[in-house]
Amino acid sequence: EAGVVQSPRYKIIEKKQPVAFWCNPISGHNTLYWYLQNLGQGPELLIRYENEEAVDDSQLPKDRFSAERLKGVDSTLKIQPAELGDSAVYLCASSLSSGGAVEQFFGPGTRLTVL
Amino acid sequence: AQSVTQPDIHITVSEGASLELRCNYSYGATPYLFWYVQSPGQGLQLLLKYFSGDTLVQGIKGFEAEFKRSQSSFNLRKPSVHWSDAAEYFCAVEGEKLTFGTGTRLTIIP
Repeated sequence: EAGVVQSPRYKIIEKKQPVAFWCNPISGHNTLYWYLQNLGQGPELLIRYENEEAVDDSQLPKDRFSAERLKGVDSTLKIQPAELGDSAVYLCASSLSSGGAVEQFFGPGTRLTVL
Repeated sequence: AQSVTQPDIHITVSEGASLELRCNYSYGATPYLFWYVQSPGQGLQLLLKYFSGDTLVQGIKGFEAEFKRSQSSFNLRKPSVHWSDAAEYFCAVEGEKLTFGTGTRLTIIP
């Protein structure tokens, strides 16, 4: 069974440029998550999707970040414009459903460097 | 609000020695608890989880953890570490969302 796929794995951009990250969850997983992981920190939830609906985006900085999950499968996270402080690892995860007693499966992440 | 504390930022142990990584959580209700491991350049892999029942849970790679409600702790243990266990370990609690601690970096010396 294929795991969560993310691309690109690494991205280097200059500040004020746009950037997009793509995630393909495990087949059949209805719930998709985007996390931000700063250096030396644990992941922090940015947004959670149930199928194509964003049900928790309270931690997503909406002035520059946007996300979509068309058709309830793949998802894209975008930053426009990027700032120096956005340098981090962006992790995507998926699960069969949401709620406490479920396991989230994580992708390898996209490491973003903003110069 | 829920939170997780991992008091040890970095731990170094000799190969073959025993290991215990500490985790304390704060959550008002019965918690769902997880330990994840992250190797360099890799995503997080689930080691074990506690939902209910037996407070001593077994995981993959020879790891186990014990849930102690009275101490709000969920410490991770392994009786004998291998060089391949060197990684970053994250404790997490699921309440309104999955909340991670800041992680403990494990170094193994020969």
